[in-house]
Amino acid sequence: GENVEQHPSTLSVQEGDSAVIKCTYSDSASNYFPWYKQELGKRPQLIIDIRSNVGEKKDQRIAVTLNKTAKHFSLHITETQPEDSAVYFCAASKTGNQFYFGTGTSLTVIP
Amino acid sequence: KAGVTQTPRYLIKTRGQQVTLSCSPISGHRSVSWYQQTPGQGLQFLFEYFSETQRNKGNFPGRFSGRQFSNSRSEMNVSTLELGDSALYLCASSWGTEGGEQYFGPGTRLTVT
Repeated sequence: GENVEQHPSTLSVQEGDSAVIKCTYSDSASNYFPWYKQELGKRPQLIIDIRSNVGEKKDQRIAVTLNKTAKHFSLHITETQPEDSAVYFCAASKTGNQFYFGTGTSLTVIP
Repeated sequence: KAGVTQTPRYLIKTRGQQVTLSCSPISGHRSVSWYQQTPGQGLQFLFEYFSETQRNKGNFPGRFSGRQFSNSRSEMNVSTLELGDSALYLCASSWGTEGGEQYFGPGTRLTVT
């Protein structure tokens, strides 16, 4: 099956700096890559996603890039704010709604 | 639109017992997926249902089962509970069947003692 690796497991940045989280996947047939944000005690929420026919997607301060050849995708958060502090999960899917998740990155934004 | 709801939110069971968890998807969503979330293993896929049929199944023992009703509500059942089954069980709903946006419920926190 698919294997998704996510790095780093923890990340601390100063408010206003950028944060980058990287994921690699093993199955070249995977074609949908969402990112979820999970605040403490809350449900995961979709923040951005990308499909395999697109190389980059942006939504305000958040962007995701995909390199199909290298089988990796990254989340970029610019101008970080304290409310960005949460655990971020990447995921990959190739068929149906069976998602394989990375192990999560705990992001702390220091005011 | 109301979001995905799960009941109960918290559950304490004893080893050997069985448990049934319920998930109501967003109105109009026909796909429901279930995940187990633990600190050590992260989010792991259990199974997916669409139109009352199981479409995909993760790598979990047969003690974990599920079903979906005609109104798209879904239940999952865990029989012969083990201590290692203690986890947050999340369901997620989506409209279609092919890698679309999934919306998660708040989860059911299961503790097995």
